Amino acid sequence: GENVEQHPSTLSVQEGDSAVIKCTYSDSASNYFPWYKQELGKRPQLIIDIRSNVGEKKDQRIAVTLNKTAKHFSLHITETQPEDSAVYFCAASGYNQGGKLIFGQGTELSVKP
Amino acid sequence: SAVISQKPSRDICQRGTSLTIQCQVDSQVTMMFWYRQQPGQSLTLIATANQGSEATYESGFVIDKFPISRPNLTFSTLTVSNMSPEDSSIYLCSVTGDRSLSSYEQYFGPGTRLTVT
Repeated sequence: GENVEQHPSTLSVQEGDSAVIKCTYSDSASNYFPWYKQELGKRPQLIIDIRSNVGEKKDQRIAVTLNKTAKHFSLHITETQPEDSAVYFCAASGYNQGGKLIFGQGTELSVKP
Repeated sequence: SAVISQKPSRDICQRGTSLTIQCQVDSQVTMMFWYRQQPGQSLTLIATANQGSEATYESGFVIDKFPISRPNLTFSTLTVSNMSPEDSSIYLCSVTGDRSLSSYEQYFGPGTRLTVT
């Protein structure tokens, strides 16, 4: 089955710097890659996603890139702000997998003012 | 997007007992899933709740321990049976396939925080 590896497990940046979180997946049939942000005590929130027919997607300060050949995808956050501090999870899914998500281990992002 | 609620939001239970968690959506959805998130960990899929048929369980999870119902397109329950302290976790339902969502986007309920003593 699908396996998703996520790095780094923790990331500390200064406010205004960029943050990059990377994930690799194992199943070449996966074609949907969402990113979730989870603040302490809250539910995971979908912040951006990308499908396998697209190489990059951007939404204001966040962007996701996908390299299907290498089976990896990354989350990029620019101009980080303290409110970006949270745990970020990547996930992978495929239509032939019934829509279920397989999650990476999570990255705890800390943005220092 | 769909509004998802879960009951209870939290509970403290004694070992050996069972707890049923409810997940309610304000619109019909195609897929409903149940995840477990142990303290400080990632999300692990327990099962897919299939409407009108038996749930599909992931490796390591069995129906006797986690019976699931899904009587219609807006509601599902997860029961944690014969609980032990190792079952202490957050249990989350998620949905996809709402008319207002793409078939891929998946949204989570607020979670149920379970503590087993």
